[in-house]
Amino acid sequence: QSVLTQPPSVSGAPGQRVTISCTGSSSNIGAGYDVHWYQHLPGTAPKLLIYGNSNRPSGVPDRLSGSKSGTSASLAITGLQAEDEADYYCQSYDSSLSVVFGGGTKLTVL
Amino acid sequence: QVQLQESGPGLVKPSETLSLTCGVSGYFISSGYYWGWIRQPPGKGLEWIGSVYHGGITYYNPSLKSRVTISVDTSKNQFSLELSSVTAADTAVYYCATPSPRYYDSSPPLFDYWGQGALVTVSS
Repeated sequence: QSVLTQPPSVSGAPGQRVTISCTGSSSNIGAGYDVHWYQHLPGTAPKLLIYGNSNRPSGVPDRLSGSKSGTSASLAITGLQAEDEADYYCQSYDSSLSVVFGGGTKLTVL
Repeated sequence: QVQLQESGPGLVKPSETLSLTCGVSGYFISSGYYWGWIRQPPGKGLEWIGSVYHGGITYYNPSLKSRVTISVDTSKNQFSLELSSVTAADTAVYYCATPSPRYYDSSPPLFDYWGQGALVTVSS
C-alpha cells in the first residue's frame, strides 16, 4: 500500500489529453512537500519528467505539465502519442522521514 | 555525464544478505551530494530503500531500516547496498540513482541519473 495513491491505469486516444492524479495526506503533499514525476518503461531506467510540482527538465516536451493543490498533485499529458505509453510515478517526501513514491499508473494509448 | 551500473548476485537465499554495488563513472562520487537505492518488486511500484549523503549520512525507508546498510567507497568510486535477512518479498529489480548537480537543492530529493537495474531473486 503506497503512501501516495495513483489510479492503476488511465487511457486515451492519440491526440487526446489525460491526467494522472497523485493523492497524499497532511504528512506528505499536504505538509508542503513538492512532487516529482517519473516515466518508466519496462526494462529501462525511470526518467524524470516533472520536478518541483510543475517544472520540466530540459528535453521534456511542454505537452507534459504538472500541478499541485492541497494534498494532491496531477500530471497532464496533452496531444497523446503512442510513445507516451508507459508507467508513471509521482514522488514526494513524508514526515516519517522517507522519500515516498506513488503506486504507479499505467498509461495506455488506445 | 554520470553513468551508474548495478552489480551483484542475481540469486540470494532466504535469510541471507543481499549485497549490491553501484559503480559510478563520469563523476567523482566524493563530489556528489547524495546517492540512493530504489527497488521495484515484480508487478509492483517503485520503493525507495535509502540514500547516503556526502559525508556518509544515511537515511533509510522506515519499513526497511532495521535491515539496510548503504555505504560509499570513494577509493573505488562506488556505493553499496546491503539488505539482511531477505525473504521472497525482497525479490525485485534494484536501481541505484543520484541527482545531477542542478537538482542538489531540490526538496524533496529527486533522482535523474539511474542505473539500468539489477534483478535480484530470493529463493532457495
